[in-house]
Amino acid sequence: EIVMTQSPATLSVSPGERATLSCRASQTVSSNFAWYQQKPGQAPRLLIYGASTRATGVPARFSGSGSGTEFTLTISSLQSEDFAVYYCQQYNNWPVTFGQGTRLEIK
Amino acid sequence: EVQLLESGGGLVQPGGSLRLSCAASGFTIGSYAMSWVRQAPGKGLEWVSVLSGSGTSTFYADSVKGRFTISRDNSKNTLYLQMNSLRAEDTAVFYCAKEACSSTSCWMDYWGQGTLVTVSS
Repeated sequence: EIVMTQSPATLSVSPGERATLSCRASQTVSSNFAWYQQKPGQAPRLLIYGASTRATGVPARFSGSGSGTEFTLTISSLQSEDFAVYYCQQYNNWPVTFGQGTRLEIK
Repeated sequence: EVQLLESGGGLVQPGGSLRLSCAASGFTIGSYAMSWVRQAPGKGLEWVSVLSGSGTSTFYADSVKGRFTISRDNSKNTLYLQMNSLRAEDTAVFYCAKEACSSTSCWMDYWGQGTLVTVSS
């Protein structure tokens, strides 16, 4: 199965600053790649699919880039509601697999 | 508005069985692939199973193959996960998720709030 590795495990950023989260796939997944946000006690929420397409209702400050094996989620100006855990996922091969998550915390 | 509501979780002894339900509203599950994903306490997400939109194909993670069965009842617009021979390592919050698909691949665009399954004696 494809292993997804996220970095860093924890990212501390101040509100208003930019956050950059990374995810690497153990083999190419083309652009069949998604990012999800999960807040404590809540279900995951789709942010990005197709590596760079924002899901319905997702603010423009969230952007995704990359293809193949290297992917990035950028949050341009952090708002208080953005502090959460972020998961990457590949859906190019079965089984679909998730990264271990990056916790984005307030600095 | 798309909504997914899981139920059926609870405490079960090792070796026991449980059936989870996921009631959908705002769309027709018979037209979409649907998945179950689980999350052990304090851990990450693990895909469990998927049922194709046609209802004719199912796939399972190796960790649950032969023990779990995914199905749906179109008349009730409800997805199910029958879980047998449960183990302590199956303890998790189980989420159902609707799949959105392009011509070649699918991703999970809506998720339910989850139901907790605890396997313990």
